[in-house]
Amino acid sequence: AQSVTQPDIHITVSEGASLELRCNYSYGATPYLFWYVQSPGQGLQLLLKYFSGDTLVQGIKGFEAEFKRSQSSFNLRKPSVHWSDAAEYFCAVGAGDYKLSFGAGTTVTVRA
Amino acid sequence: DAGITQSPRHKVTETGTPVTLRCHQTENHRYMYWYRQDPGHGLRLIHYSYGVKDTDKGEVSDGYSVSRSKTEDFLLTLESATSSQTSVYFCAISESDRSNYEQYFGPGTRLTVT
Repeated sequence: AQSVTQPDIHITVSEGASLELRCNYSYGATPYLFWYVQSPGQGLQLLLKYFSGDTLVQGIKGFEAEFKRSQSSFNLRKPSVHWSDAAEYFCAVGAGDYKLSFGAGTTVTVRA
Repeated sequence: DAGITQSPRHKVTETGTPVTLRCHQTENHRYMYWYRQDPGHGLRLIHYSYGVKDTDKGEVSDGYSVSRSKTEDFLLTLESATSSQTSVYFCAISESDRSNYEQYFGPGTRLTVT
């Protein structure tokens, strides 16, 4: 079965600084990979996804992620964070059976 | 935004009482899911449905049952609520096309079992 690890429980970043969130997955074949964001008290919103092809994918809100098969990673990045990026971020992996496995999440705090 | 609603949005109930949460979609998507979200665990799949009357268990299905009698509605029932079922419950939907694999989430239901 597939699994996802997000090594960082909490990250604090200054507004305007760059952000990188780590995600490692375990799956034998090429997975479907996703990043979701959850603002306080809200549901989850899809930021971006990777199915195949170009390993650098662009998403909404200025986020991008890079799939690295050799490292089993799918890290999320943003060059310059805004205060509104403070949220919880979830990485998820799908194995082609229409089910997703989620990581435990990384909470991002943005300081002025 | 995907047309997904959950009801109720908040509920407080006592241990041992039955509770039913409802998920309603207007997207005509085939797949529907129930997750629970707890600190440190992310989202864990409780049950999912791949069509009317077709359901299967997820990783944390003990103590929960589901039903889907119509495409648009997916019900989650806690037969006898326990304090360990205090959580935030999310419904999600997905199309059946493998090129469109992502799931869309509802706003969540916060359930407290006292």
